[in-house]
Amino acid sequence: LAKTTQPISMDSYEGQEVNITCSHNNIATNDYITWYQQFPSQGPRFIIQGYKTKVTNEVASLFIPADRKSSTLSLPRVSLSDTAVYYCLVGRNTGGFKTIFGAGTRLFVKA
Amino acid sequence: GAVVSQHPSRVICKSGTSVKIECRSLDFQATTMFWYRQFPKQSLMLMATSNEGSKATYEQGVEKDKFLINHASLTLSTLTVTSAHPEDSSFYICSAKEQGVTEAFFGQGTRLTVV
Repeated sequence: LAKTTQPISMDSYEGQEVNITCSHNNIATNDYITWYQQFPSQGPRFIIQGYKTKVTNEVASLFIPADRKSSTLSLPRVSLSDTAVYYCLVGRNTGGFKTIFGAGTRLFVKA
Repeated sequence: GAVVSQHPSRVICKSGTSVKIECRSLDFQATTMFWYRQFPKQSLMLMATSNEGSKATYEQGVEKDKFLINHASLTLSTLTVTSAHPEDSSFYICSAKEQGVTEAFFGQGTRLTVV
């Protein structure tokens, strides 16, 4: 399983764009990159997933360089409600593969 | 996204008793379910992986006789904490994954307090 490294914490202000980078140097060919958001006392919520290049949905964008050894989650114009812990996970699309969580990044959005 | 429902959301039990937590996939068939434990200000720790109709695979250090996992159907998995002790107090979270789908979806978690 690929190990991931993220910043422990980040601060931002409302309305700013936030980019959280995750390193996964030993990512395997079949691995996907998935980001989750977790609020206190709640289960993680799926944000976005990608394999290569760029993926965008209604809440975020995910940038993956050609070597796939890192990825960047981009949150446009954050609000106070985006204060949460963000987890980057790397894993395969096979039945039963483990979803192992790293330490995550604690994002704090200030007014 | 797909919906995973976990019940109860919080439970308080006495030391020595057993507690069962249910995890249901409401709109898809969960061929694989995962159970996690999370302590305050820490990340999720994977406890076990279960495939429908098979015995669960436990992570190193997780007692299989203490944390009984049953995945009898494609929409339901249960975690039973047997002979609970105060140190078992934690936030327990399940996730479910459908065959051929890359994302796993999580329940809302269960706060267990053992007194």
